[in-house]
This record gives sequence, C-alpha cells and structure tokens, in this order.
Amino acid sequence: EAGVTQFPSHSVIEKGQTVTLRCDPISGHDNLYWYRRVMGKEIKFLLHFVKESKQDESGMPNNRFLAERTGGTYSTLKVQPAELEDSGVYFCASSHGENTEAFFGQGTRLTVV
Amino acid sequence: AQSVTQPDIHITVSEGASLELRCNYSYGATPYLFWYVQSPGQGLQLLLKYFSGDTLVQGIKGFEAEFKRSQSSFNLRKPSVHWSDAAEYFCADRTDSWGKLQFGAGTQVVVTP
Repeated sequence: EAGVTQFPSHSVIEKGQTVTLRCDPISGHDNLYWYRRVMGKEIKFLLHFVKESKQDESGMPNNRFLAERTGGTYSTLKVQPAELEDSGVYFCASSHGENTEAFFGQGTRLTVV
Repeated sequence: AQSVTQPDIHITVSEGASLELRCNYSYGATPYLFWYVQSPGQGLQLLLKYFSGDTLVQGIKGFEAEFKRSQSSFNLRKPSVHWSDAAEYFCADRTDSWGKLQFGAGTQVVVTP
C-alpha cells in the first residue's frame, strides 16, 4: 500500500511567485492534514480536511494560502504570492478516522528567495 | 493553552548507550500522545502512541515510552542506540477528536561511535 506522497520534494521560488504543493493521502483515508515547520520552529498545524470539506483551518497563516481537496482525494496547497517567511517544510498527513494514527508524507521543502 | 514541551533541543549519545528523550504535556483531559521520528531526508514516522491502558508503550525500532500522569510526562527510551537512530524526534499530543496534533519543538539526536 502506498504511503502519503507529496510533490514536489523541493521547491525554490522567488518572492512574489506562486507555488502549489500537492499531497496524495493513503487511499481510503478521509482525514487529510497540512502542517508546516519553518526554520527553527515547531511543526505547526495548518488545516484539516474531512473528505472534501475543511473541518478546521484555524492554522492557516493568512489569505495568501489556499488549500483544496477536490473530490476528497488529493489535496493542494497554494501560496500566492509567496513571501520569504513562507520558507519551510510543509508536511501532509492522512488518517482513516477518529482515534487512528496519522501517517505523514516526507514533506515539501519550500524556499522563497 | 495546550502545549507540548521537549526540554532538550540536542542530545549526543554514544552508540550502544541508553537514550531517554523527555516530553511534557499540558492538558487537563486524558492525553493522546505520540512520538515521531524524522531521519535525514525522510518524513515523519510514528514510533509509538499512547491512548489508554498500559502506561508503558512499546514501539518500533526498540523504542518504548512511559506515560506518567503525575508528572505530565511521556518520555521516550531506548536501551542501546544504534548509529541509525540519529534523527530528530518529536513528541506530539492530539488536541481534538479529529486528530489534530500539537508538536513539541523536537530533539535532535546525534550518535557518536
């Protein structure tokens, strides 16, 4: 069974550009989470989908970030326009239901220059 | 507010020696606690979790953790470390019934010959 897959693994973009990160959860997992770790800081929650619906987006830093999960399968996280402080590692995780463990992808390292 | 504290940012241990990583949580209700490991170039991998029951939890790779409610701790241990245990370790607590996680700052473990 394939794990959580994230694309790309690395991305370097200039300030002001747009970047889209993608996450493919484990098949059949209704819950999908995005987290972010900026340099030297803790891993922070961004948002949570249950199927295609946003259950909790309390961690989204501002309106430059847009997450979607069309059809309840894969998810994208778009940053537009990117700022220097958006640099970090973006993790995606999925889980089957309540009280089940979350499986994480390997992360996307985003560098904004 | 709920928090997870990992007091040690960096630990150096000799191969074959024992390892203990500290984690303290702050939350009134029964915590749901996790330890994740991130090896270089890899994603977050779940080592073990505690939901309820036996307070000594066995995980993968020879790790174990003990939940101590009186001390609000969930320390991770391994009797004899291997060079491959060099990684960053994260303690996490589930903050809602949907599985949203709050992470500690992480502990970087260096293993010397």
